[in-house]
Amino acid sequence: DAGVTQSPTHLIKTRGQQVTLRCSPISGHKSVSWYQQVLGQGPQFIFQYYEKEERGRGNFPDRFSARQFPNYSSELNVNALLLGDSALYLCASSPWDVSQPQHFGDGTRLSIL
Amino acid sequence: RKEVEQDPGPFNVPEGATVAFNCTYSNSASQSFFWYRQDCRKEPKLLMSVYSSGNEDGRFTAQLNRASQYISLLIRDSKLSDSATYLCVVGLNTGNQFYFGTGTSLTVIP
Repeated sequence: DAGVTQSPTHLIKTRGQQVTLRCSPISGHKSVSWYQQVLGQGPQFIFQYYEKEERGRGNFPDRFSARQFPNYSSELNVNALLLGDSALYLCASSPWDVSQPQHFGDGTRLSIL
Repeated sequence: RKEVEQDPGPFNVPEGATVAFNCTYSNSASQSFFWYRQDCRKEPKLLMSVYSSGNEDGRFTAQLNRASQYISLLIRDSKLSDSATYLCVVGLNTGNQFYFGTGTSLTVIP
């Protein structure tokens, strides 16, 4: 079975631009979460979606938004990019809620110039 | 105060050694606990879930102390392949959030 897949793998943008990252969960998993990981830190929670609804939100500005589609795939959008948005963006899927472990995709490495 | 705190290390240990990592969490309502392993520039991979009664998977043993709000991971007979960053993760139903520690770096030396 395919694991969590993310695209693109790498992305280079400039300040002020907008970016969309994509994620397909493991088949049968209905929950998708997004994380930001900067070098030397653990992943920071951005969003969790379940059944196309936002179920959790971390401490990120409104420039960050996401959605989940009927097939449970998800997109993360970031507007008005800042240099500080440079990071590894990880998507994780799980069957349902926080009681079950999450499985991560390879991530999208975003660089802002 | 951070939700999850870990000693970042680094821990440098010889092959065959036993090493222990601890992690503390601040929210007593936390409901689920995990250890993940992350290799350099790779995604985190689930190592094991942590249960109140403690659990073991081969050379790895995880413990949870709810009263003191800490989680531990014990690695016995360390192998070179155990070199990685170990992330402590706590799940909170409120907001459906997972909180990650900053990770503890382990290097096993031949």
